Amino acid sequence: SQELEQSPQSLIVQEGKNLTINCTSSKTLYGLYWYKQKYGEGLIFLMMLQKGGEEKSHEKITAKLDEKKQQSSLHITASQPSHAGIYLCGADQGNTGKLIFGQGTTLQVKP
Amino acid sequence: ETGVTQSPTHLIKTRGQQVTLRCSSQSGHNTVSWYQQALGQGPQFIFQYYREEENGRGNFPPRFSGLQFPNYSSELNVNALELDDSALYLCASSPGGLRADTQYFGPGTRLTVL
Repeated sequence: SQELEQSPQSLIVQEGKNLTINCTSSKTLYGLYWYKQKYGEGLIFLMMLQKGGEEKSHEKITAKLDEKKQQSSLHITASQPSHAGIYLCGADQGNTGKLIFGQGTTLQVKP
Repeated sequence: ETGVTQSPTHLIKTRGQQVTLRCSSQSGHNTVSWYQQALGQGPQFIFQYYREEENGRGNFPPRFSGLQFPNYSSELNVNALELDDSALYLCASSPGGLRADTQYFGPGTRLTVL
């Protein structure tokens, strides 16, 4: 079965700094999703990547899917306290809408 | 706000009891998926319902069961609760396809089993 590994598990950055979160899959990714979650709350959809080499941006967050489609990175530029939360990558198993998730990366941004 | 609501928000049960969690999908969505998220972990897929029929199941025992109603609202039932069932339970609805980019998550129900 497919597994997703996120790194780092947690991150503390000073406001204004850039940061990167990685997500590595044990199998080829057919769809890679990034979500943000505030502690104890539901997931907020950020971005979806499907094609190898694809890159998408939303405000100060950029996500990439590597050419071999087994790794994705999420990059935040000039971090703000509002970026704090748990970032989760998810993969669609066979394009069925049934997601598996990484264990999450907890981000704290110090003002 | 995604338009997906869940009830109750929090719940405390004792081991061996039964629990029913509810999910109201966003209008027009006919697919609902349920996930269990233990503390410090990513969500794990429990099962999915499409037009009132189960459409796939994760690695969860039969004491986890579900229903989807004609109005596409949904229930998750857990029998014979165990301590390890303590978690945040999330439902996500989709409008008609099965693509995850169109899944909208509810705020979750926090279940504590004592």
